[in-house]
Amino acid sequence: GQNIDQPTEMTATEGAIVQINCTYQTSGFNGLFWYQQHAGEAPTFLSYNVLDGLEEKGRFSSFLSRSKGYSYLLLKELQMKDSASYLCAVSLISSGSARQLTFGSGTQLTVLP
Amino acid sequence: DTGVSQDPRHKITKRGQNVTFRCDPISEHNRLYWYRQTLGQGPEFLTYFQNEAQLEKSRLLSDRFSAERPKGSFSTLEIQRTEQGDSAMYLCASSSAVYEQYFGPGTRLTVT
Repeated sequence: GQNIDQPTEMTATEGAIVQINCTYQTSGFNGLFWYQQHAGEAPTFLSYNVLDGLEEKGRFSSFLSRSKGYSYLLLKELQMKDSASYLCAVSLISSGSARQLTFGSGTQLTVLP
Repeated sequence: DTGVSQDPRHKITKRGQNVTFRCDPISEHNRLYWYRQTLGQGPEFLTYFQNEAQLEKSRLLSDRFSAERPKGSFSTLEIQRTEQGDSAMYLCASSSAVYEQYFGPGTRLTVT
């Protein structure tokens, strides 16, 4: 089966740096995604890693280690608007070539002034 | 707006009634996905279309659920004989053959 773990909640201060970890155990791995979801809204794409290493995009960076089944999302210079749920999702290659996403339960980040 | 759209945004229905949701994907995307999300959880995969063909269905998709994408463009998801456990946000996503899935705003279903 598939198993994706991430912390349920995190709190950080405006202007700080926060790292959200994600560990996974899956078969048919085809990449790891991070999505941001504000309450009552749809998930929005943040980053994608398919090879080991760090991908940087502005204030957000994402890291992947396939051998360890581990990823993290790094948010720098936190802003109040970054308060949201951050979803780690693994893309799987299946028999129907769906590349469906299997999501973790999300990490609710609260940014304090 | 060229994003994924879903209709309706909210639906309240009584237990036992049938409901149908619509998803209009980004026009050039041939892949379409349905997910279900309950409070405090990540989205769960329900089904996948490539063009008009339904290629995958999750075991979560009971026989009360049916989805179609008749012309390879918009898709519908129907739930028959709704139950209170069906209350959730139903999300549609689309993608090209590359990788990123773009999500629509979702349809929030409440079964009373």
